[in-house]
Amino acid sequence: GESVGLHLPTLSVQEGDNSIINCAYSNSASDYFIWYKQESGKGPQFIIDIRSNMDKRQGQRVTVLLNKTVKHLSLQIAATQPGDSAVYFCAEIVNNDMRFGAGTRLTVKP
Amino acid sequence: DGGITQSPKYLFRKEGQNVTLSCEQNLNHDAMYWYRQDPGQGLRLIYYSQIVNDFQKGDIAEGYSVSREKKESFPLTVTSAQKNPTAFYLCASSTYGGQTTQYFGPGTRLTVL
Repeated sequence: GESVGLHLPTLSVQEGDNSIINCAYSNSASDYFIWYKQESGKGPQFIIDIRSNMDKRQGQRVTVLLNKTVKHLSLQIAATQPGDSAVYFCAEIVNNDMRFGAGTRLTVKP
Repeated sequence: DGGITQSPKYLFRKEGQNVTLSCEQNLNHDAMYWYRQDPGQGLRLIYYSQIVNDFQKGDIAEGYSVSREKKESFPLTVTSAQKNPTAFYLCASSTYGGQTTQYFGPGTRLTVL
């Protein structure tokens, strides 16, 4: 899940396994969510987005699930590869303002 | 190639100096943003601009200034009034403000010596 502080939550997975990264949000009025991937020393890259009128959206090897009841968002990465190692963070848009989580560091072991 | 560019990639500043970080986009986006990223924290909004010649303060605007004279360019000046400027600075743009995806540049790492 997301947290604010000096130490990011970490997730370590074996190459080829599926990864699930979680994000909790607090504002029930949030109506648009985005997942970003950020590699060390680089800018965040857009991965996938979802609007609040959906509960699932799939991309290439990635799926985002939205549970509005518990205000929870997850990113699933299928067949995780070494190139997936990065910090992943979610962003929510509420009232035209975008807010970012601190992120989760994903490490893929060969 | 379309995208957002930031320069320089690394910048060193002595205390008391102002420095300007460049951000350029050729995506024809109306809105542009500046964020600051510190270790283990989420992105914090410094300034944003939804249209040329107009910009608004974000959550941590103190010690920073911006201009938006051209649609493609949104430079950020870190002034000597910013007490803790060492950070990773990210510029982003979107087609327009509000509920649209923001796309980020590669970032500039500023270090105060």
